[in-house]
Amino acid sequence: EAAVTQSPRSKVAVTGGKVTLSCHQTNNHDYMYWYRQDTGHGLRLIHYSYVADSTEKGDIPDGYKASRPSQENFSLILELASLSQTAVYFCASTTGGQLYFGEGSKLTVL
Amino acid sequence: GQQVQQSPASLVLQEGENAELQCNFSSTATRLQWFYQHPGGRLVSLFYNPSGTKHTGRLTSTTVTNERRSSLHISSSQTTDSGTYFCAIDPVNTGNYKYVFGAGTRLKVIA
Repeated sequence: EAAVTQSPRSKVAVTGGKVTLSCHQTNNHDYMYWYRQDTGHGLRLIHYSYVADSTEKGDIPDGYKASRPSQENFSLILELASLSQTAVYFCASTTGGQLYFGEGSKLTVL
Repeated sequence: GQQVQQSPASLVLQEGENAELQCNFSSTATRLQWFYQHPGGRLVSLFYNPSGTKHTGRLTSTTVTNERRSSLHISSSQTTDSGTYFCAIDPVNTGNYKYVFGAGTRLKVIA
């Protein structure tokens, strides 16, 4: 089973503050993704990357930035956190199409 | 845009009953996965099944690609099956394995 780890697992942030969510995978996967899940809903793609030092916008990129400094690491950055960004964030990776998810990071913006 | 519809939205079973979860999608899918989300939030891949039928334990997934549908059958349900089941497709021609998720089926199995 592919190993994808996220940190922090839970965070409380203030409105307007900066938040960085980190993701690390140890399986040499090329593709990495950040998804957002709102309570009672499915997952929506925020940003993804298929190679280090390059990121692409997903379906809901507004208010988020991403960084892929190495093949193993992929970060999601909220420069100015807002109440509407309260959600659970999942990182995932793949190399051949089957997605492997991290445990999720619960973000609460107050 | 791409759309994945799952039904039913929620389901309550008595332990031992069977369940059939449906996933219909509006675009041809290159790939399809079924996921189980634990009540605590962890997502687990159940099947990577772009076409045909696959089995694991009490679970069976059947995908009919040209009819744009997939189903997940749970036999002899157990209380530990409770949680949310998601279908996700990788629509053809979008590239980069950009999966689109359905809203999920919330299953509760009672003893």
